[in-house]
This record gives sequence, C-alpha cells and structure tokens, in this order.
Amino acid sequence: KAGVTQTPRYLIKTRGQQVTLSCSPISGHRSVSWYQQTPGQGLQFLFEYFSETQRNKGNFPGRFSGRQFSNSRSEMNVSTLELGDSALYLCASSTGTGTEGYTFGSGTRLTVV
Amino acid sequence: QKEVEQDPGPLSVPEGAIVSLNCTYSNSAFQYFMWYRQYSRKGPELLMYTYSSGNKEDGRFTAQVDKSSKYISLFIRDSQPSDSATYLCAMRENYGQNFVFGPGTRLSALP
Repeated sequence: KAGVTQTPRYLIKTRGQQVTLSCSPISGHRSVSWYQQTPGQGLQFLFEYFSETQRNKGNFPGRFSGRQFSNSRSEMNVSTLELGDSALYLCASSTGTGTEGYTFGSGTRLTVV
Repeated sequence: QKEVEQDPGPLSVPEGAIVSLNCTYSNSAFQYFMWYRQYSRKGPELLMYTYSSGNKEDGRFTAQVDKSSKYISLFIRDSQPSDSATYLCAMRENYGQNFVFGPGTRLSALP
C-alpha cells in the first residue's frame, strides 16, 4: 500500500513569491491535514480537508490556503512568502472516521530567501 | 503555558534500557492520544494511538494514559540505537478536531 506522497521534497523561494505544495494521501483516505514544523514552534496545525471541504483551520494568516480535489489529493498555497515561512510542511492522511491516527508524508522543506 | 508539554531532552540512555517519555497537558477534554517517532529529515511515524485512560502495548512499546492527572507516557523496553529519534505526543478532544502536538523529546539510545 503506497504511503502519503508529498511533492516537491525541497523548495527554495524568494520573499514575496508564492508557492504550491502537493499531497497525495493513502488510497481510500478522505482526510488530509497540513502542519507546519519549525524548530522553535514545533508542529503547528494549518488546516484539514475532508471530502473536498475544509473541516478545521488553525491560526495562520490568510496567506495560507488549501484545497482538496475529488480524488482526495490536496494542495496548499502560500502567497507573499516571508522569511518566517521557512519550515517543513507536513501532510497527514487518515480515513477521517476518527478510528485511527494520522499517517504523515516525508514533508516539503521550504526555504524562503 | 503551552497546551501540551514534553520533557525537551535530549535524553541519553544505554542500549537495553527502559525509556520513559512523558507528556502533560492542560485541556481536560482531550481523549484521543498518539505517539509519533520522527527521525531527522523524515516525517513523523505513528507508534501508538489510544483513546481515553488505560494502557496499550505493542511490541516493545507501551502507551499509558492517566486522564485524572492529565499525563501520558510512552515506555520503550530494551532500547536499541535505532530508537534514537525525536518522540512527539499528540492529542485531541473529539473526532473531527485537529491533533495538538507536543514539542518533542529527543532520545539517544547509545550502543
């Protein structure tokens, strides 16, 4: 069974640019959650999508947005990048039924210069 | 005060030792708990998923939840060098809500 696939693995962007990250969940999983991980703040919740609808949202500015497609694949977008957006962005997949934990992908490491 | 706290470590133990990793939390409504292991430059890997109070065992790992004390633990028996990683606890109130993660404890199991 294939795991959670995140692309790209690494990205370098310039301040002010925008970026789109992609996540393909485990087949059959309908929930995708996104987290930002930094050394200082740890894992911070961005948002969760379930069956193409945003079910939960964390305390991040509106520059951070996401969406989920009918095949459960998800994308997150960050506009007007800031230096502080440099982080590991992790996608987590689950059935969404609450009976099991999340399966994480390997993440996309974003560096903003 | 953060919602979920963990001993920051690093924690160094000799191979074969029993390791105890702990989390405390402030929200008494948390009832779903997870433990993850994260190797450097990798995504977190789910070790244990538990609901409410009690113990759960899986191989060398035992998860313990004490909701009355708002305290959870992960015990690792016969620690191996391959257990060297950062361990994260996570918890949430209800299905449909997001998990809140602790800051992690870095463990070094020395040969």
